[in-house]
Amino acid sequence: DQQVKQNSPSLSVQEGRISILNCDYTNSMFDYFLWYKKYPAEGPTFLISISSIKDKNEDGRFTVFLNKSAKHLSLHIVPSQPGDSAVYFCAAKYFGNEKLTFGTGTRLTIIP
Amino acid sequence: DGGITQSPKYLFRKEGQNVTLSCEQNLNHDAMYWYRQDPGQGLRLIYYSQIVNDFQKGDIAEGYSVSREKKESFPLTVTSAQKNPTAFYLCASSTGTGGETQYFGPGTRLLVL
Repeated sequence: DQQVKQNSPSLSVQEGRISILNCDYTNSMFDYFLWYKKYPAEGPTFLISISSIKDKNEDGRFTVFLNKSAKHLSLHIVPSQPGDSAVYFCAAKYFGNEKLTFGTGTRLTIIP
Repeated sequence: DGGITQSPKYLFRKEGQNVTLSCEQNLNHDAMYWYRQDPGQGLRLIYYSQIVNDFQKGDIAEGYSVSREKKESFPLTVTSAQKNPTAFYLCASSTGTGGETQYFGPGTRLLVL
């Protein structure tokens, strides 16, 4: 049972445009969500997170939006840069449980 | 510099052999985790430890064992009972006390000869 889903395995975006990566979840107990960026043969790097008490969190070029009623979150990157080309994972957890549940990832390619 | 180190970067296992992957952190984090990544899949939790001398099974613990004798160290042993060990193994840590963000090491790729 895949509780966190990233339905787009890949996404290509022109440099300078907005990249939008999507993530859906099924477990209504999840109350904290994270996005990680991963290059091949390296460990994931934490990007940005959001608590369920918020619907938006910004950090520089990265913004995460959370729609609790739809059980959906998205990561916006603007403007997209070549260095953003990587695999992006969303992850979720709930209070009192240290375990993170990961999606399967979306490979983002930024086209110069 | 604070961080998480994993060694070796590449590891080869022969049939029937146990191998141990090292994970060390100097972040003073209480909680540590081991994940496995297979191609086209997300990260799956093998084991985690929230405090020294205590650990819990994750989603795919069969064929693996861990120990947590020191706060800084959380080695993972891939036993001969793990029939499909070829994967990329990632160690992570977090403050563990409501610290939701997990920080990852660089990973170890395990290959079977």
